[in-house]
Amino acid sequence: GENVEQHPSTLSVQEGDSAVIKCTYSDSASNYFPWYKQELGKRPQLIIDIRSNVGEKKDQRIAVTLNKTAKHFSLHITETQPEDSAVYFCAASNTDSWGKLQFGAGTQVVVTP
Amino acid sequence: DVKVTQSSRYLVKRTGEKVFLECVQDMDHENMFWYRQDPGLGLRLIYFSYDVKMKEKGDIPEGYSVSREKKERFSLILESASTNQTSMYLCASSVSGHRGTEAFFGQGTRLTVV
Repeated sequence: GENVEQHPSTLSVQEGDSAVIKCTYSDSASNYFPWYKQELGKRPQLIIDIRSNVGEKKDQRIAVTLNKTAKHFSLHITETQPEDSAVYFCAASNTDSWGKLQFGAGTQVVVTP
Repeated sequence: DVKVTQSSRYLVKRTGEKVFLECVQDMDHENMFWYRQDPGLGLRLIYFSYDVKMKEKGDIPEGYSVSREKKERFSLILESASTNQTSMYLCASSVSGHRGTEAFFGQGTRLTVV
């Protein structure tokens, strides 16, 4: 089955700097890659996703890149703000999985003012 | 606005008890999931269901069962609770789609087994 690895496990950045989280996946059939943000005490929520026919997607300060050949994808947050502090999860799924998502272990991002 | 609601926010149960965790979604989603969240391990899939009365094992089904008698409701059952089942349990739902779709999560149930 699919295996998703996520790095780093913790990331501390100064406000205004950029943050990058990287994930690798094992199943070449995976074709949908969402990123979820979970604030303390709250439910995970989708912040951005990318499909395998696209190499990059951007939404304001966040962007995701996908390298299908290398089987890795990354989340980029620019101009970080204190409200970006949260745990971020990457995930992967494929067409035949009924929407079943395989998650990475998560990255705790701390943005210090 | 999609709503996924879990019946309890916090639960404390004794070892050996049968435990029911309930999840209801109001968006007519076909897919429903139960995940377990532990620090450093991310979200691990316990069971999922893609239709009423249909269920499939996830990555860690041992010690759990599920029930989906109605489309909007998906129940997780711990047949005989053990201390290693102390965890945060998250329910999620998504619309059926061949290209992958967003999963909407409930608020979570923090289960402690003593």
